[in-house]
Amino acid sequence: IQLTQSPSSLSASVGDRVTITCRASQGISNYLAWYQQKPGEAPNLLIYGASTLQSGVPSRFSGSGFGTDFTLTINSLQPEDFATYYCQQFNNYPRTFGQGTKVEIK
Amino acid sequence: QVQLVQSGSELKKPGASVKVSCKASGYTFTTKPINWVRQAPGQGLEWMGSINTNTENPSYAQGFTGRFVFSLDTSVSTAYLEIINLEAEDTAVYYCARETRWDLQDRFDSWGQGTLVTVSS
Repeated sequence: IQLTQSPSSLSASVGDRVTITCRASQGISNYLAWYQQKPGEAPNLLIYGASTLQSGVPSRFSGSGFGTDFTLTINSLQPEDFATYYCQQFNNYPRTFGQGTKVEIK
Repeated sequence: QVQLVQSGSELKKPGASVKVSCKASGYTFTTKPINWVRQAPGQGLEWMGSINTNTENPSYAQGFTGRFVFSLDTSVSTAYLEIINLEAEDTAVYYCARETRWDLQDRFDSWGQGTLVTVSS
């Protein structure tokens, strides 16, 4: 299963609402997770089951979708949210990742 | 709290081998699989495979068979990634990640800090 994220990068300002899309090459139900990775750090789990917020993750992050189309939304972008975001599917093996979306400061 | 602590950076020559460790703490090691993820310089995340910490059965992604070996020492709650006959293209940061399943949903909910392996003559 291939995961295609769009856009590959985006520029946004603090306070903006940001939406990142992940499209699967075939249906994966809701077996999708989102991660945030900052430079020099390990990825950090944000959302699993397409829409369940991981404990400790701020509520400005939300996820939606089912089947082949999924969305990660960041409401009111904060300075610490500038990072690269990856989706990952758990419908089957291999556990593929999307290619990443880099969120940069405008 | 749950922690995965990996071994330090390695500089190796082509043809050599390297063994990266991932020590788990804060939970019962044999209850959750350990996955390995590669990130080449400036690139995205690539799933290499996983090892069942209960059965010690490994599963490798395509492209990671033959020279890559996953193993465990459950007595010290540690997973290992060994790469044999290193090539320059193996230069990357390697992460271990714990996989949790709850309510039929899987995710990588805890990650090691990453180990940079540099292969250069």
